Amino acid sequence: GDSVTQMEGPVTLSEEAFLTINCTYTATGYPSLFWYVQYPGEGLQLLLKATKADDKGSNKGFEATYRKETTSFHLEKGSVQVSDSAVYFCALSDRNQGGKLIFGQGTELSVKP
Amino acid sequence: KAGVTQTPRYLIKTRGQQVTLSCSPISGHRSVSWYQQTPGQGLQFLFEYFSETQRNKGNFPGRFSGRQFSNSRSEMNVSTLELGDSALYLCASTEDSAYNEQFFGPGTRLTVL
Repeated sequence: GDSVTQMEGPVTLSEEAFLTINCTYTATGYPSLFWYVQYPGEGLQLLLKATKADDKGSNKGFEATYRKETTSFHLEKGSVQVSDSAVYFCALSDRNQGGKLIFGQGTELSVKP
Repeated sequence: KAGVTQTPRYLIKTRGQQVTLSCSPISGHRSVSWYQQTPGQGLQFLFEYFSETQRNKGNFPGRFSGRQFSNSRSEMNVSTLELGDSALYLCASTEDSAYNEQFFGPGTRLTVL
Protein backbone atom coordinates (compact mmCIF):
# COMPACT_ATOMS: atom_id res chain seq x y z
CA GLY A 1 0.00 0.00 0.00
CA ASP A 2 0.86 3.65 -0.17
CA SER A 3 3.25 4.96 2.47
CA VAL A 4 5.29 8.00 3.50
CA THR A 5 8.66 7.99 5.22
CA GLN A 6 10.24 11.09 6.68
CA MET A 7 13.42 11.69 8.59
CA GLU A 8 13.30 11.12 12.27
CA GLY A 9 13.62 13.93 14.72
CA PRO A 10 14.01 15.79 16.78
CA VAL A 11 15.89 18.30 14.68
CA THR A 12 17.49 21.15 16.59
CA LEU A 13 18.74 24.21 14.72
CA SER A 14 19.92 27.68 15.56
CA GLU A 15 17.93 30.65 14.34
CA GLU A 16 18.70 31.58 10.70
CA ALA A 17 20.04 28.07 9.92
CA PHE A 18 19.04 26.18 6.77
CA LEU A 19 16.39 23.51 7.20
CA THR A 20 15.85 20.30 5.26
CA ILE A 21 13.39 17.62 6.29
CA ASN A 22 13.48 14.60 4.01
CA CYS A 23 10.33 12.88 2.83
CA THR A 24 9.96 9.95 0.44
CA TYR A 25 6.82 8.17 -0.60
CA THR A 26 5.54 4.96 -2.13
CA ALA A 27 2.37 5.11 -4.18
CA THR A 28 0.79 3.02 -6.90
CA GLY A 29 -1.06 5.93 -8.49
CA TYR A 30 -0.36 9.63 -8.94
CA PRO A 31 -0.71 11.15 -5.51
CA SER A 32 -0.83 14.72 -4.34
CA LEU A 33 1.78 15.57 -1.73
CA PHE A 34 1.46 17.81 1.29
CA TRP A 35 3.38 19.22 4.21
CA TYR A 36 1.38 19.91 7.35
CA VAL A 37 2.60 21.61 10.52
CA GLN A 38 1.35 21.06 14.05
CA TYR A 39 2.05 23.57 16.80
CA PRO A 40 1.79 22.43 20.42
CA GLY A 41 -1.78 21.84 21.50
CA GLU A 42 -3.22 22.50 18.07
CA GLY A 43 -4.49 20.62 15.06
CA LEU A 44 -2.71 20.38 11.73
CA GLN A 45 -2.30 23.29 9.35
CA LEU A 46 -1.49 22.87 5.69
CA LEU A 47 1.92 24.38 4.98
CA LEU A 48 2.19 23.65 1.26
CA LYS A 49 1.13 21.18 -1.40
CA ALA A 50 1.99 19.90 -4.87
CA THR A 51 -0.40 17.99 -7.08
CA LYS A 52 1.83 16.73 -9.91
CA ALA A 53 5.42 15.93 -10.74
CA ASP A 54 7.85 18.88 -10.79
CA ASP A 55 5.35 21.15 -9.02
CA LYS A 56 6.90 23.30 -6.32
CA GLY A 57 4.82 24.19 -3.31
CA SER A 58 5.83 27.21 -1.25
CA ASN A 59 4.53 29.15 1.72
CA LYS A 60 6.01 31.31 4.49
CA GLY A 61 9.54 30.74 3.17
CA PHE A 62 9.14 26.95 3.07
CA GLU A 63 9.48 25.10 -0.22
CA ALA A 64 9.15 21.53 -1.48
CA THR A 65 9.37 20.09 -4.99
CA TYR A 66 7.47 16.99 -6.13
CA ARG A 67 10.17 14.70 -7.54
CA LYS A 68 8.58 11.70 -9.23
CA GLU A 69 11.91 10.20 -10.30
CA THR A 70 13.16 10.00 -6.72
CA THR A 71 9.67 9.74 -5.13
CA SER A 72 10.58 12.57 -2.80
CA PHE A 73 9.08 15.79 -1.44
CA HIS A 74 11.75 17.28 0.81
CA LEU A 75 10.87 20.37 2.86
CA GLU A 76 13.36 23.26 2.88
CA LYS A 77 13.64 26.71 4.38
CA GLY A 78 16.58 29.02 3.96
CA SER A 79 16.48 30.70 7.37
CA VAL A 80 14.45 29.26 10.23
CA GLN A 81 12.99 31.27 13.09
CA VAL A 82 12.16 30.33 16.66
CA SER A 83 8.49 30.54 15.67
CA ASP A 84 9.02 27.66 13.20
CA SER A 85 9.43 25.24 16.12
CA ALA A 86 6.71 22.63 15.59
CA VAL A 87 6.13 19.12 14.30
CA TYR A 88 6.11 18.75 10.51
CA PHE A 89 4.22 15.99 8.71
CA CYS A 90 4.64 14.88 5.12
CA ALA A 91 1.48 13.34 3.65
CA LEU A 92 0.02 12.03 0.42
CA SER A 93 -3.44 11.52 -0.93
CA ASP A 94 -4.58 9.46 -3.86
CA ARG A 95 -7.60 10.53 -5.89
CA ASN A 96 -8.79 6.92 -5.91
CA GLN A 97 -8.99 6.93 -2.14
CA GLY A 98 -11.05 10.06 -1.70
CA GLY A 99 -10.00 12.31 1.13
CA LYS A 100 -7.74 9.82 2.87
CA LEU A 101 -4.38 11.28 3.85
CA ILE A 102 -1.43 9.00 4.57
CA PHE A 103 1.06 10.65 6.90
CA GLY A 104 4.70 10.19 7.68
CA GLN A 105 5.66 9.81 11.30
CA GLY A 106 6.37 13.49 11.81
CA THR A 107 9.58 15.41 12.46
CA GLU A 108 9.88 17.64 15.48
CA LEU A 109 11.81 20.83 14.82
CA SER A 110 13.23 22.94 17.62
CA VAL A 111 14.82 26.28 16.74
CA LYS A 112 17.00 27.93 19.37
CA PRO A 113 17.67 31.68 19.49
CA LYS B 1 -15.68 31.39 7.50
CA ALA B 2 -15.48 29.65 10.82
CA GLY B 3 -12.98 26.81 11.01
CA VAL B 4 -13.54 23.17 11.84
CA THR B 5 -14.79 22.79 15.38
CA GLN B 6 -14.61 19.71 17.55
CA THR B 7 -16.33 19.01 20.82
CA PRO B 8 -15.47 18.26 23.46
CA ARG B 9 -11.82 19.29 23.51
CA TYR B 10 -10.93 16.99 26.37
CA LEU B 11 -12.53 13.82 27.60
CA ILE B 12 -11.70 11.31 30.32
CA LYS B 13 -13.37 7.90 30.29
CA THR B 14 -12.80 4.53 31.89
CA ARG B 15 -12.26 1.20 30.21
CA GLY B 16 -15.41 -0.39 28.88
CA GLN B 17 -17.30 2.86 28.46
CA GLN B 18 -18.27 4.34 25.15
CA VAL B 19 -17.69 7.83 23.83
CA THR B 20 -19.06 10.08 21.10
CA LEU B 21 -17.02 12.87 19.55
CA SER B 22 -18.45 15.61 17.39
CA CYS B 23 -17.09 17.54 14.43
CA SER B 24 -18.59 20.54 12.62
CA PRO B 25 -16.93 21.13 9.25
CA ILE B 26 -16.37 24.41 7.50
CA SER B 27 -19.54 25.67 5.90
CA GLY B 28 -19.92 24.21 2.43
CA HIS B 29 -17.57 21.32 3.01
CA ARG B 30 -19.23 17.98 2.39
CA SER B 31 -16.34 15.65 3.19
CA VAL B 32 -15.33 14.91 6.77
CA SER B 33 -12.46 12.64 7.72
CA TRP B 34 -11.34 11.39 11.11
CA TYR B 35 -7.81 10.59 12.24
CA GLN B 36 -6.30 9.13 15.38
CA GLN B 37 -2.98 10.54 16.58
CA THR B 38 -0.86 8.67 19.11
CA PRO B 39 2.85 8.93 19.97
CA GLY B 40 3.44 5.32 18.96
CA GLN B 41 1.40 4.99 15.77
CA GLY B 42 1.38 8.58 14.58
CA LEU B 43 -1.52 9.83 12.49
CA GLN B 44 -3.83 7.11 11.26
CA PHE B 45 -6.89 7.45 9.07
CA LEU B 46 -10.12 6.22 10.63
CA PHE B 47 -12.82 6.96 8.04
CA GLU B 48 -14.22 9.54 5.67
CA TYR B 49 -17.81 10.59 5.16
CA PHE B 50 -19.22 12.40 2.18
CA SER B 51 -22.87 13.34 1.81
CA GLU B 52 -23.85 11.12 4.75
CA THR B 53 -22.12 8.05 3.27
CA GLN B 54 -18.94 6.42 4.45
CA ARG B 55 -16.63 6.68 1.47
CA ASN B 56 -13.45 5.22 2.88
CA LYS B 57 -12.41 3.33 5.98
CA GLY B 58 -9.08 2.70 7.67
CA ASN B 59 -7.89 -0.39 9.50
CA PHE B 60 -9.59 0.01 12.82
CA PRO B 61 -11.81 -2.49 14.66
CA GLY B 62 -15.56 -2.29 14.48
CA ARG B 63 -15.66 -0.56 17.87
CA PHE B 64 -14.89 2.60 15.94
CA SER B 65 -17.83 3.92 13.99
CA GLY B 66 -19.05 7.19 12.62
CA ARG B 67 -21.85 8.93 10.86
CA GLN B 68 -22.58 12.15 9.06
CA PHE B 69 -25.71 14.21 9.18
CA SER B 70 -27.47 16.11 6.41
CA ASN B 71 -25.78 19.36 7.51
CA SER B 72 -22.38 17.63 7.11
CA ARG B 73 -21.69 17.54 10.83
CA SER B 74 -20.11 14.26 11.82
CA GLU B 75 -19.81 12.15 14.91
CA MET B 76 -17.55 9.27 15.72
CA ASN B 77 -18.24 6.70 18.37
CA VAL B 78 -15.92 4.35 20.16
CA SER B 79 -17.52 1.56 22.12
CA THR B 80 -15.99 -0.63 24.82
CA LEU B 81 -13.05 1.70 25.33
CA GLU B 82 -9.58 0.28 25.81
CA LEU B 83 -6.52 1.93 27.32
CA GLY B 84 -4.95 2.01 23.86
CA ASP B 85 -7.75 4.23 22.57
CA SER B 86 -6.21 7.15 24.45
CA ALA B 87 -5.28 9.56 21.69
CA LEU B 88 -5.90 12.88 20.02
CA TYR B 89 -8.78 12.48 17.56
CA LEU B 90 -8.64 14.92 14.70
CA CYS B 91 -11.37 15.79 12.29
CA ALA B 92 -10.73 17.34 8.89
CA SER B 93 -13.06 18.73 6.28
CA THR B 94 -12.75 19.53 2.60
CA GLU B 95 -15.07 20.48 -0.25
CA ASP B 96 -14.42 17.23 -2.11
CA SER B 97 -11.63 15.57 -4.06
CA ALA B 98 -8.35 14.16 -2.90
CA TYR B 99 -6.50 17.22 -4.14
CA ASN B 100 -8.32 19.82 -2.10
CA GLU B 101 -6.78 21.07 1.08
CA GLN B 102 -8.08 19.37 4.19
CA PHE B 103 -8.75 21.73 7.09
CA PHE B 104 -8.19 20.24 10.50
CA GLY B 105 -9.91 20.97 13.76
CA PRO B 106 -8.04 21.33 17.07
CA GLY B 107 -8.84 17.75 18.05
CA THR B 108 -10.41 15.98 20.98
CA ARG B 109 -7.97 14.62 23.55
CA LEU B 110 -9.40 11.33 24.85
CA THR B 111 -7.88 9.73 27.92
CA VAL B 112 -9.00 6.24 28.89
CA LEU B 113 -8.27 5.21 32.48
